[in-house]
Amino acid sequence: EVQLVESGGGLVQPGGSLRLSCAASGFTFSSYWMSWVRQAPGKGLEWVANIKQDGSEKYYVDSVKGRFTISRDNAKNSLYLQMNSLRAEDTAVYYCAQCGYSYGPFDYWGQGTLVTVSS
Amino acid sequence: SYELTQPPSVSVSPGQTARITCSGDALPKQYAYWYQQKPGQAPVLVIYKDSERPSGIPERFSGSSSGTTVTLTISGVQAEDEADYYCQSADSSLHVVFGGGTKLTVL
Repeated sequence: EVQLVESGGGLVQPGGSLRLSCAASGFTFSSYWMSWVRQAPGKGLEWVANIKQDGSEKYYVDSVKGRFTISRDNAKNSLYLQMNSLRAEDTAVYYCAQCGYSYGPFDYWGQGTLVTVSS
Repeated sequence: SYELTQPPSVSVSPGQTARITCSGDALPKQYAYWYQQKPGQAPVLVIYKDSERPSGIPERFSGSSSGTTVTLTISGVQAEDEADYYCQSADSSLHVVFGGGTKLTVL
């Protein structure tokens, strides 16, 4: 059974940093693109970033470029999102998702971790 | 930036057919995918490659494509189908784009 478990969310002040983690199991992690998708309270889904199987390609939505960094550790079956210079508009539930290709689809999702940026 | 346009809401009575559209200029060239999201839950893929249904998804869910519009059809809607539905595709750079979402209400 595929499982994706996010952790690392919480309350952080504007300008602060946070590192999200996603522990994967039940599939060959190193064979899949992986993504972060977020959902602000009461809003729709927004793709944030994705990373190729070997980490050689990474893509970001314009609003997080230069502030967020996606990475992975295939030996640990783990995906990460380092978030710096956080803003109020980054407040959202962040989902880790397995994708078939760089452009989707998102076959499996974690349950999400809430990031709240507020003073 | 590239956008996918969905109606904010669709309402149907139980047993009727619900159709949710998604429009985008690149849809003739890129596949569309559909996700169902119930309150407090993560999204679930219900249609991939415009019209394919993943295993475990009921047959009443189907997808179709015509020009710049893709459509998710739910035949014989049930109360449990009440949820938000999102289309997803890719822009010209093959980056992920989501539609704004459609709230399906079962009357």
